[in-house]
Amino acid sequence: SQKIEQNSEALNIQEGKTATLTCNYTNYSPAYLQWYRQDPGRGPVFLLLIRENEKEKRKERLKVTFDTTLKQSLFHITASQPADSATYLCALWITGGGNKLTFGTGTQLKVEL
Amino acid sequence: GAGVSQSPSNKVTEKGKDVELRCDPISGHTALYWYRQSLGQGLEFLIYFQGNSAPDKSGLPSDRFSAERTGGSVSTLTIQRTQQEDSAVYLCASSLVSGRVAGTQYFGPGTRLTVL
Repeated sequence: SQKIEQNSEALNIQEGKTATLTCNYTNYSPAYLQWYRQDPGRGPVFLLLIRENEKEKRKERLKVTFDTTLKQSLFHITASQPADSATYLCALWITGGGNKLTFGTGTQLKVEL
Repeated sequence: GAGVSQSPSNKVTEKGKDVELRCDPISGHTALYWYRQSLGQGLEFLIYFQGNSAPDKSGLPSDRFSAERTGGSVSTLTIQRTQQEDSAVYLCASSLVSGRVAGTQYFGPGTRLTVL
């Protein structure tokens, strides 16, 4: 069966450290992978998109890697701040998959002072 | 410009009643999606509208669920004879979809549905 797995346990880190979140998938061949941020009581907000032929994408303090051999994406936040505390969702877009994203369950990140 | 808006923000209903949830997408966005998010769960795809094409209803969990999109803009998700397991946050998103390029989805704030 097709699955997208993100750590269900919350990730707690200290301010200033690098947070690394993992997204693993099985039985998919995604053309694109997206990361979203979701705050409590709000809808997800798009952060980054990475294509299947890209290894890495950066945006300010954010970095995403995409390894289609390992079927894994890593999402890094450098110099983390308490304001980065939120749930982070990965989503796969599969070509021919009906033009829709399939989301993981998300990982909650807590950045502590 | 305005983002995606949804109404109501909260809806409490009794089991067996029908409910209608509304979504106003970003103007000009041709694609509109409905998702359901239960407590501690990921986003569950429900239905997708793209322009004038037939909607992709593959995610609707039962025939009690239906959705319309009038004039390529506003969408209404209707749940008939609500059950307690329908309690969740219902999220709407819109995007510009060009060919086969994954469009960034812009989400509304959601409607929290509680079925008593």
